[in-house]
Amino acid sequence: LAKTTQPISMDSYEGQEVNITCSHNNIATNDYITWYQQFPSQGPRFIIQGYKTKVTNEVASLFIPADRKSSTLSLPRVSLSDTAVYYCLVGTTGGGNKLTFGTGTQLKVEL
Amino acid sequence: SAVISQKPSRDICQRGTSLTIQCQVDSQVTMMFWYRQQPGQSLTLIATANQGSEATYESGFVIDKFPISRPNLTFSTLTVSNMSPEDSSIYLCSVAPGGSYTGELFFGEGSRLTVL
Repeated sequence: LAKTTQPISMDSYEGQEVNITCSHNNIATNDYITWYQQFPSQGPRFIIQGYKTKVTNEVASLFIPADRKSSTLSLPRVSLSDTAVYYCLVGTTGGGNKLTFGTGTQLKVEL
Repeated sequence: SAVISQKPSRDICQRGTSLTIQCQVDSQVTMMFWYRQQPGQSLTLIATANQGSEATYESGFVIDKFPISRPNLTFSTLTVSNMSPEDSSIYLCSVAPGGSYTGELFFGEGSRLTVL
């Protein structure tokens, strides 16, 4: 079971790039890394997923080093609406059937 | 994609009673998960409820306390039995339409439960 660790909180200003790192030292060979965003009183929402190297979509980039023991979610030019909790999820495809969420990072974006 | 509706959205219950939370999905999905999120905390997986098989519970969660039904590919219920104040939490239903644990998960809005 891959336990994940994230910073509890981060502060930023509008227009800046924000990088949130997740540590998952015990990640398994078949595990994927997925990031979710959660606003108060809502369920988490998918942001991006990757297995190795770099993945980019219209809202974020995900950087995964060769050893896959960590990953970094990069949010370009954040706005106030990006204030939320961001979760790192490591998925197991094997018989364990476990999807473990990280501790979550509360991102606060200010003007 | 999948749209998930949960009922009730919130409820206040008395100690010792039971509450059943419903999860309705707008499409057929095999894989469904129930999570618990305590105030200010991350999500904890309670159980995996795949249609056609018995629910699989995570460590610390037992069927007698959290019985789950999965009668078809679009519906599931989670019951919180013999509730205590420690059960006060948000309970979230989630599905993996892609049929893979590595795929994108879709979540309901959650059911906020307060036990007095």
